[in-house]
Amino acid sequence: GESVGLHLPTLSVQEGDNSIINCAYSNSASDYFIWYKQESGKGPQFIIDIRSNMDKRQGQRVTVLLNKTVKHLSLQIAATQPGDSAVYFCAERVWRDSSYKLIFGSGTRLLVRP
Amino acid sequence: DSGVTQTPKHLITATGQRVTLRCSPRSGDLSVYWYQQSLDQGLQFLIQYYNGEERAKGNILERFSAQQFPDLHSELNLSSLELGDSALYFCASSPPGQGTTDTQYFGPGTRLTVL
Repeated sequence: GESVGLHLPTLSVQEGDNSIINCAYSNSASDYFIWYKQESGKGPQFIIDIRSNMDKRQGQRVTVLLNKTVKHLSLQIAATQPGDSAVYFCAERVWRDSSYKLIFGSGTRLLVRP
Repeated sequence: DSGVTQTPKHLITATGQRVTLRCSPRSGDLSVYWYQQSLDQGLQFLIQYYNGEERAKGNILERFSAQQFPDLHSELNLSSLELGDSALYFCASSPPGQGTTDTQYFGPGTRLTVL
């Protein structure tokens, strides 16, 4: 498959452990955030989103936490599985040049050890 | 499967050439976005169309252009290709009238290799 971002930060976890992937965003006016998962050779896949008026949102095995004070976003994956191995991107929605745009972070590679 | 389709999956061409990448959005989605993903720069937003009209522009070179047709499919045209244009090109679509959210659903991408 394709290799995305050969020099990405990498998080290695044991299967069954919880994973926490962090993201610092840049614009204090960003009002909406998304986490995407990108497996090798595939397009980014929506995981979970959160609006800026929330600080926590839970999905199936995933939780996103938003700390607007320090402009920090995290993705928690419970009971990490081998299928969770992928590159994870956070994205923030910003108003720029008279339109909304999604600005993506550089990504974190998650490796799950069996 | 996101419901967004892109063709071709792979494209190999030479410098100076022109290519066209095609995208069909999810059924009912009016917005189409194009992104470039290279190894050293991550996902870079290029351009957005909404119901046939250009809505937003990102880091799109003048050698690149796009359009969205009445049936809502979109094409990204890349001309005078350079080695540095080699990358994955993704199309994404989003539903109309999302209000405060902007969830985009990505296609599988086109891998462009310029030799």
